Amino acid sequence: NAGVTQTPKFQVLKTGQSMTLQCAQDMNHEYMSWYRQDPGMGLRLIHYSVGAGITDQGEVPNGYNVSRSTTEDFPLRLLSAAPSQTSVYFCASSLQGNYGYTFGSGTRLTVV
Amino acid sequence: QQQVKQSPQSLIVQKGGIPIINCAYENTAFDYFPWYQQFPGKGPALLIAIRPDVSEKKEGRFTISFNKSAKQFSLHIMDSQPGDSATYFCAATGGGGSNYKLTFGKGTLLTVNP
Repeated sequence: NAGVTQTPKFQVLKTGQSMTLQCAQDMNHEYMSWYRQDPGMGLRLIHYSVGAGITDQGEVPNGYNVSRSTTEDFPLRLLSAAPSQTSVYFCASSLQGNYGYTFGSGTRLTVV
Repeated sequence: QQQVKQSPQSLIVQKGGIPIINCAYENTAFDYFPWYQQFPGKGPALLIAIRPDVSEKKEGRFTISFNKSAKQFSLHIMDSQPGDSATYFCAATGGGGSNYKLTFGKGTLLTVNP
């Protein structure tokens, strides 16, 4: 049972490049979310999904896209990377929305 | 608009002390209040959670106190140990169709000295 798996763990991008952060869970959780963590800012919700084919925006969605074609996978796409997107990104999943979320180990992204 | 306010930002205690971290919320529709513990380089991990129908919940050395009328809740760590040194986040969710969006406080960096 791997839980929530995020890849890659580290990534450096140049401004304007695009990339996809991968997230997979093997717990058959319906709810999945992407957060970014910045110093002194806590964790802020980027996008979330309540099931395959259903996604919606969170608090800071600009510059990011998501899709949910399967229950297991919830990739986060950076369309055109900007230095302001330098952050640590966490994917999380939950069986039910108002129960505990399980977090992945994060992707540390640097945009130069 | 910060819906969950957490204090203090940092906290240093001696081993055996009882650190207390406080959170206040604004949205009265919130109905689930978890606390997460995060070690450096790791993702947050669920520590303990409470719902507003109880005023206190204990799990081992960790206790949540909840004051619904004041819209406040706090985490107490009894007999704190150096291994408890981590960042702690309070969070809240709930409110009809929004029960899947966690709103986090900004975190408290706890240091427990030996």
